[in-house]
Amino acid sequence: DTEVTQTPKHLVMGMTNKKSLKCEQHMGHRAMYWYKQKAKKPPELMFVYSYEKLSINESVPSRFSPECPNSSLLNLHLHALQPEDSALYLCASSQDNWGGGHQHFGDGTRLSIL
Amino acid sequence: GENVEQHPSTLSVQEGDSAVIKCTYSDSASNYFPWYKQELGKGPQLIIDIRSNVGEKKDQRIAVTLNKTAKHFSLHITETQPEDSAVYFCAASKANRDDKIIFGKGTRLHILP
Repeated sequence: DTEVTQTPKHLVMGMTNKKSLKCEQHMGHRAMYWYKQKAKKPPELMFVYSYEKLSINESVPSRFSPECPNSSLLNLHLHALQPEDSALYLCASSQDNWGGGHQHFGDGTRLSIL
Repeated sequence: GENVEQHPSTLSVQEGDSAVIKCTYSDSASNYFPWYKQELGKGPQLIIDIRSNVGEKKDQRIAVTLNKTAKHFSLHITETQPEDSAVYFCAASKANRDDKIIFGKGTRLHILP
């Protein structure tokens, strides 16, 4: 069982919809990450939160909006997505945001944009 | 920036045989090298990692070796089993604030019965 929980597991949405992806961890980790993974590719980093503050935004389009309400929760708000945004969205957490730490991944939300 | 190359992209081995996956990195300042296993429908899970002050690390059937001079590291799986079938990613990072993990492109490992 993974220690990082993501909901929903699957999401189908139209290009005009607004939806949110949720991620939760109770390991006391202070760094949380959003990754995007296309089929047969490695995960691509989108955002990093450290101590509930956004520390890295990898030039992600504004139609993706992250939020970290507290140290255990991470959300990704989606609006006006494009078909090419269909992918597996992975959340991860680590003890802190210093490189060289073990990142724990959730099982992802598989997103399909119609 | 860091670049991680991983080979092969696909690997098929008979059950019980050994599998070896190789990676090279470009940034000599990288000092942390994790390996992740991703099964179908799951997120990547760390299976073993190695830091640059160590040349080899073993955990049961899995071992990782690191050659800092040549900037390459390898994953060795012995006595392969059907449950070893998955995609394996090598990665590299530096132990700095906000340093990212850079992943290789992945190796799809098939264990043949």
